[in-house]
Amino acid sequence: EVQLLESGGGLVQPGGSLRLSCAASGFIFSNYVMDWVRQAPGKGLEWVSGINKGGERTDYADSMKGRFTVYRDNSQNTLFLQMNNLRAEDTALYYCIIRPIIGMGGWGQGTLVTVSS
Amino acid sequence: DIVMTQTPLSSPVTLGQPASISCRSSQSLVHSDGNTYLSWLHQRPGQPPRLLIYKIFNRFSGVPDRFSGSGSGTDFTLKISRVEAEDVGVYYCMQSTHFPHTFGRGTNVEIK
Repeated sequence: EVQLLESGGGLVQPGGSLRLSCAASGFIFSNYVMDWVRQAPGKGLEWVSGINKGGERTDYADSMKGRFTVYRDNSQNTLFLQMNNLRAEDTALYYCIIRPIIGMGGWGQGTLVTVSS
Repeated sequence: DIVMTQTPLSSPVTLGQPASISCRSSQSLVHSDGNTYLSWLHQRPGQPPRLLIYKIFNRFSGVPDRFSGSGSGTDFTLKISRVEAEDVGVYYCMQSTHFPHTFGRGTNVEIK
């Protein structure tokens, strides 16, 4: 069974940093492209970032470029999102997902990031 | 950015009756590799989204066959042949062809 377990969220002041982790199990992690997607409270879904299987290619939504860094450790089956210079508008539930481009899909329960003074 | 326009935004349906959701993209979603990376997600209240359909019409593992996807290019449709109580929630279309990937605003399906 595919499992994605996000962690690392919490309360942080504006301008602060957090590192999110996503522990993957139940599938061959290194075979899949991964994304981070977020959902602000009561709002819709927003794509944040993506990374290819080997970690060489990363992509970001415009508002995250230069502040967020996605990377992965295939030996540890873990996806990461380093978030710096956080803003109030980054407050959201952050999900790691298997990019739905082939017959594999999965969403974790998410980890909540709250940016507030 | 590709804009994904979903209609309707709200859909009251009768149990056992069909439902249909439309998703239109501002540009073609055909990738240079020939695939069209349009997927449909379902989010029940208080739950994370789950994948229903990928690449327009492919049902994800375990998804009931009352769900079907169709379309091409810029126009796509999700159909539920006979709505069941567990189908309530918000449905999103998502494109993974162009960066940044984008979602529709969501369609709230509720029982009349």
